[in-house]
Amino acid sequence: SQQGEEDPQALSIQEGENATMNCSYKTSINNLQWYRQNSGRGLVHLILIRSNEREKHSGRLRVTLDTSKKSSSLLITASRAADTASYFCATDADAGGTSYGKLTFGQGTILTVHP
Amino acid sequence: GAGVSQTPSNKVTEKGKYVELRCDPISGHTALYWYRQSLGQGPEFLIYFQGTGAADDSGLPNDRFFAVRPEGSVSTLKIQRTERGDSAVYLCASSLRWTSGVDEQFFGPGTRLTVL
Repeated sequence: SQQGEEDPQALSIQEGENATMNCSYKTSINNLQWYRQNSGRGLVHLILIRSNEREKHSGRLRVTLDTSKKSSSLLITASRAADTASYFCATDADAGGTSYGKLTFGQGTILTVHP
Repeated sequence: GAGVSQTPSNKVTEKGKYVELRCDPISGHTALYWYRQSLGQGPEFLIYFQGTGAADDSGLPNDRFFAVRPEGSVSTLKIQRTERGDSAVYLCASSLRWTSGVDEQFFGPGTRLTVL
């Protein structure tokens, strides 16, 4: 079963605009990860944020985590047409201080960036 | 270096047939995961190997599904008596799994299984 929900389900923006995607989850986590998927095939890891972190940056990506609200957001700044893809959050449950390793994915956000 | 590879990339079979899907992880990765992704959904966990043993097979939907990793490297997911509902993309991932660490999973391109 899916861990939580992603919002919005689909997002359409113009090149240069920022894109924000949200993810909510239900159980206690060790870490949360964001992945990108093109054409319904392999996933590419974007960023990992641990449960004791609140914000993380990687290039044009910014991820925030609010464990009290059980939610995370992914911000892509200055979007490009090549960012068009599906984006998934995935949680790695807490196993007494370590992680289980198996990921529980949300349903994803389909991002379309128009040139 | 080479990433995770999966074969075949596409598999079409008839209802009731047996299929095997293969995953070749990144060399040296001790952990291997299988996920299944249906159209419009996120991947769902099936099974996780640490070395040769299945550390967690709680995601396998029923006893028609079985997976092995006999030498701690290549893994095969086996589906008996396939049903139309088994149609999905089967994804494999591997990682360097530390006993108390957190690490990134590297995914293969997937095998698209279609059961007619």
